[in-house]
Amino acid sequence: DTGVSQNPRHKITKRGQNVTFRCDPISEHNRLYWYRQTLGQGPEFLTYFQNEAQLEKSRLLSDRFSAERPKGSFSTLEIQRTEQGDSAMYLCASSPQSGQGTDTQYFGPGTRLTVL
Amino acid sequence: GDSVTQMEGPVTLSEEAFLTINCTYTATGYPSLFWYVQYPGEGLQLLLKATKADDKGSNKGFEATYRKETTSFHLEKGSVQVSDSAVYFCALSEGFQKLVFGTGTRLLVSP
Repeated sequence: DTGVSQNPRHKITKRGQNVTFRCDPISEHNRLYWYRQTLGQGPEFLTYFQNEAQLEKSRLLSDRFSAERPKGSFSTLEIQRTEQGDSAMYLCASSPQSGQGTDTQYFGPGTRLTVL
Repeated sequence: GDSVTQMEGPVTLSEEAFLTINCTYTATGYPSLFWYVQYPGEGLQLLLKATKADDKGSNKGFEATYRKETTSFHLEKGSVQVSDSAVYFCALSEGFQKLVFGTGTRLLVSP
């Protein structure tokens, strides 16, 4: 069990550029979540996948944000036309659909985005 | 909507002191409750959880009891160590849906 991995770990971009982050969940975890954490705050939910289906999206996820999970494995989160307010840590988590721990989410190390 | 409120930090303690971090919640149903910990430079780690009323979660000397009557899930440890210095997050989830987090409480333990 290698844990949830996220790439890149850090991203610095200029306002108006597009960025894409990748998350690889724990193998065989069907559920995948994205959160955003700003300095001094707790993580805020962005979106949730069960296998390849995106089942819930927060209203925090404006039309500049899009997430995909092709084939129900890794996921990508893309932000178009980045704004300075998008600067945050983007966290990915996964959980199993069956067995023990179905209510427990396991987090990756996060991708820190800085928009200049 | 669901929400979690935790005490503001930082909480500053000397080694071997008793720790309490308060957490209360608001939920429409019967959520599961969690404490996550974030050590400096690391990702969020599950510390403990409880899934129904009166359940006690415990791990690494930390404990928290799910109190439905007071909608609380306070984190306690009898004797803190310097290595416990971190940010602690209380969270809830209903079913297999999103986690709703509190704002976090920073704990600083000095030798």
